[in-house]
Amino acid sequence: EAQVTQNPRYLITVTGKKLTVTCSQNMNHEYMSWYRQDPGLGLRQIYYSMNVEVTDKGDVPEGYKVSRKEKRNFPLILESPSPNQTSLYFCASSPTRLFGGYTFGSGTRLTVV
Amino acid sequence: AQRVTQPEKLLSVFKGAPVELKCNYSYSGSPELFWYVQYSRQRLQLLLRHISRESIKGFTADLNKGETSFHLKKPFAQEEDSAMYYCAPLGPENDSYDKVIFGPGTSLSVIP
Repeated sequence: EAQVTQNPRYLITVTGKKLTVTCSQNMNHEYMSWYRQDPGLGLRQIYYSMNVEVTDKGDVPEGYKVSRKEKRNFPLILESPSPNQTSLYFCASSPTRLFGGYTFGSGTRLTVV
Repeated sequence: AQRVTQPEKLLSVFKGAPVELKCNYSYSGSPELFWYVQYSRQRLQLLLRHISRESIKGFTADLNKGETSFHLKKPFAQEEDSAMYYCAPLGPENDSYDKVIFGPGTSLSVIP
């Protein structure tokens, strides 16, 4: 089944403890992206990747890192999480930037205490 | 900077009534346009894309380049249409703007 898989679904962590949220797609998509969803603010793009080893900042990249060493994987790294990064995170992929629209992962609800 | 607006945060309609969810964008050129839907506690799903001219779940969307709008419409709302709807225009490639921006979303509530 074609899908975007995120893990974990739920995560509670403490301030400053590094964490990684994984994202994997099995559709050979070139374009991948991370969003955070917050009440009243909608979806905001954190980082995106046009292809392997090509990543760039979205609208809210501060406090996050990403890497794209393989086409299928696009992990989101929080080196030193803070409470303002408590949010619902979505990974999404698309065949290319322009074609087809996104397929979304099921989301990761992160709480930083 | 490119912007996407969805003027209604909340929209309530009665079952069987027509629905129109508004989306306006500010892009140069001809963007590609998408609507996404998020049902309660679920992931976002692609609802429809302008280029395919599809009608999904009875929804259609008309691009009006003059008004730079891409409103989502359905002639008869159903209770299962209650969800959050996001407009997502994609800027043309020659803008060198690779970010995909979503509108703020409209929460549609269909009253039985």
